[in-house]
Amino acid sequence: DAKTTQPPSMDCAEGRAANLPCNHSTISGNEYVYWYRQIHSQGPQYIIHGLKNNETNEMASLIITEDRKSSTLILPHATLRDTAVYYCIVRVPERTDSWGKFQFGAGTQVVVTP
Amino acid sequence: DGGITQSPKYLFRKEGQNVTLSCEQNLNHDAMYWYRQDPGQGLRLIYYSQIVNDFQKGDIAEGYSVSREKKESFPLTVTSAQKNPTAFYLCASSIRGPVNGYTFGSGTRLTVV
Repeated sequence: DAKTTQPPSMDCAEGRAANLPCNHSTISGNEYVYWYRQIHSQGPQYIIHGLKNNETNEMASLIITEDRKSSTLILPHATLRDTAVYYCIVRVPERTDSWGKFQFGAGTQVVVTP
Repeated sequence: DGGITQSPKYLFRKEGQNVTLSCEQNLNHDAMYWYRQDPGQGLRLIYYSQIVNDFQKGDIAEGYSVSREKKESFPLTVTSAQKNPTAFYLCASSIRGPVNGYTFGSGTRLTVV
């Protein structure tokens, strides 16, 4: 699976948009980009995923560059409850030998301040 | 409501003792996983199982054992051979060939003294 690079931390003001970058320059054509977040001492929570088109759901938007070498997770109106570690993962979902290989790096610690 | 239940939330054991962490899911998911997380670190895969009575080693399987006798259950045993067992342990499940990714439990924090 492709390696991802994320900034270790970022701050965001409550009510503002939070833009979380992720570089995945070695991504291959059939690898999806997934985002998870982990609130302190809890299990990670799925946020969104995409292949090449931009995606939006009730939690966030995912913007993937045309060359797919990077992506940005957007939390449109950050709240204090969005304070968490955010993980960007690239993975091929249908390969049987990689089902167990969601590789979680250190992620980005996002702190939302009042 | 469907979900994954890990128990207990906190567990203390003496060094040299084996301990078993429970993971139960009622999501009808085929695949289940165990991850370990150390402070300030990402998750590392210990074992995973795609179907009943079958499981595979992950990246850090040494000192751990698992079983998958039922679809709903995937217990993890931390043996005395695990050199540094104190950690946060997370269980997850998914449908086969997941597109929507994993559902995680709330974790078990194991402390060995």
